[in-house]
Amino acid sequence: DAGVTQSPTHLIKTRGQHVTLRCSPISGHKSVSWYQQVLGQGPQFIFQYYEKEERGRGNFPDRFSARQFPNYSSELNVNALLLGDSALYLCASSWDTYEQYFGPGTRLTVT
Amino acid sequence: GEDVEQSLFLSVREGDSSVINCTYTDSSSTYLYWYKQEPGAGLQLLTYIFSNMDMKQDQRLTVLLNKKDKHLSLRIADTQTGDSAIYFCAESPHAGFQKLVFGTGTRLLVSP
Repeated sequence: DAGVTQSPTHLIKTRGQHVTLRCSPISGHKSVSWYQQVLGQGPQFIFQYYEKEERGRGNFPDRFSARQFPNYSSELNVNALLLGDSALYLCASSWDTYEQYFGPGTRLTVT
Repeated sequence: GEDVEQSLFLSVREGDSSVINCTYTDSSSTYLYWYKQEPGAGLQLLTYIFSNMDMKQDQRLTVLLNKKDKHLSLRIADTQTGDSAIYFCAESPHAGFQKLVFGTGTRLLVSP
């Protein structure tokens, strides 16, 4: 069975630019969550979507936004990139939001 | 508040048991989780326990929950070199949606 997929794998952007990260959940899963993992730390919650509606938002600035599409895939958008946005961005999918299965992540480097 | 604490490092010999400890702060957490992260990879869900349980066993893994002390532990029996990784404890403090709050992770090193 295909797990959670994320694209791209790696990305290098310049300060001030915009980035879009993509996630495809496990087939049948209706919920997608996004997390940011800075090097040496645990993941921090950014957003959760369930059935295309935002269920929760973490303590991140408005530069971060996301959406979920009718096929349950999701995009995370970050505007006006800062050096501090460099991190591994993880997507997790779940059927009922309890068992969250993570993808391999997108490593974003902002220079 | 939401805070999860773990010790940073644990070193064991192959074949020994490993015990990774975690303390959390939110007594309303309904589920508590253990995830494993290998270098350069995403997080693998190992196991989780519902807050009304004291213990859960799954093959080599045993989870113990002391809800009074807000203490969670993961025991790995017969630890193998392939178990070397970072282990994260996570709580889910919110009703209505399952936001995971992670600790900083415990790096487990298994030597032959």
